[in-house]
Amino acid sequence: EVQLVESGGGLVKPGGSLRLSCAASGFTLSSYSMNWVRQAPGKGLEWVSSISTSSSYIYYADSVKGRFTISRDNAKNSLYLQMNSLRVEDTAVYYCARSRGAGEKDYFDYWGQGTLVTVSS
Amino acid sequence: SYVLTQPPSVSVAPGKTARITCGGNNIGSKSVHWYQQKPGQAPVLVIYYDTDRPSGIPERFSGSNSGNTATLTISRVGAGDEADYYCQVWDRISDHQVFGTGTKVTVL
Repeated sequence: EVQLVESGGGLVKPGGSLRLSCAASGFTLSSYSMNWVRQAPGKGLEWVSSISTSSSYIYYADSVKGRFTISRDNAKNSLYLQMNSLRVEDTAVYYCARSRGAGEKDYFDYWGQGTLVTVSS
Repeated sequence: SYVLTQPPSVSVAPGKTARITCGGNNIGSKSVHWYQQKPGQAPVLVIYYDTDRPSGIPERFSGSNSGNTATLTISRVGAGDEADYYCQVWDRISDHQVFGTGTKVTVL
């Protein structure tokens, strides 16, 4: 059974940092591109970042580019999101999601349950 | 950047058909995917590649895509279909994934 379990969320002050992790099981992580998607309280889904199987291709939403860094450790079956210079507007539930397809045909077939990040003074 | 527009809400009587639109410039040339999200839960894929259903998704869910509008259709709607629905595409110009604004489906 495919499982994605996020961790690392919590309360952080504006300007602070946080590192999210996503533990994958039930499939071979190295065979799939992975993603982070967030959802602010009461708002819609917002794509944050994507990373290809060997980390050769990495993409970021404009809202986080230069502040967030996505990475993966296929040997540890883990996906990460390093979040620096956090802002109040980064407050959200952060989901990791597995990619299927590629490029224009990419979609997310499995999602974790999410981890809440709250940025507040 | 590419924008996907959905109606904020759709209301439907039990047993009837709900249609949720997703508007975007020439969206018919893209692959559209749809997700269902119930309160407090993670999104679930219900349609991919415009019309395909993942295993476990009822045949009542179907999709279409042409011109500037993609549509998710839910037939014989029941209380269990109450949820938020999001469309999604990949924008090759920006190399960004894009989600629609989301539609809340209410069963009357």
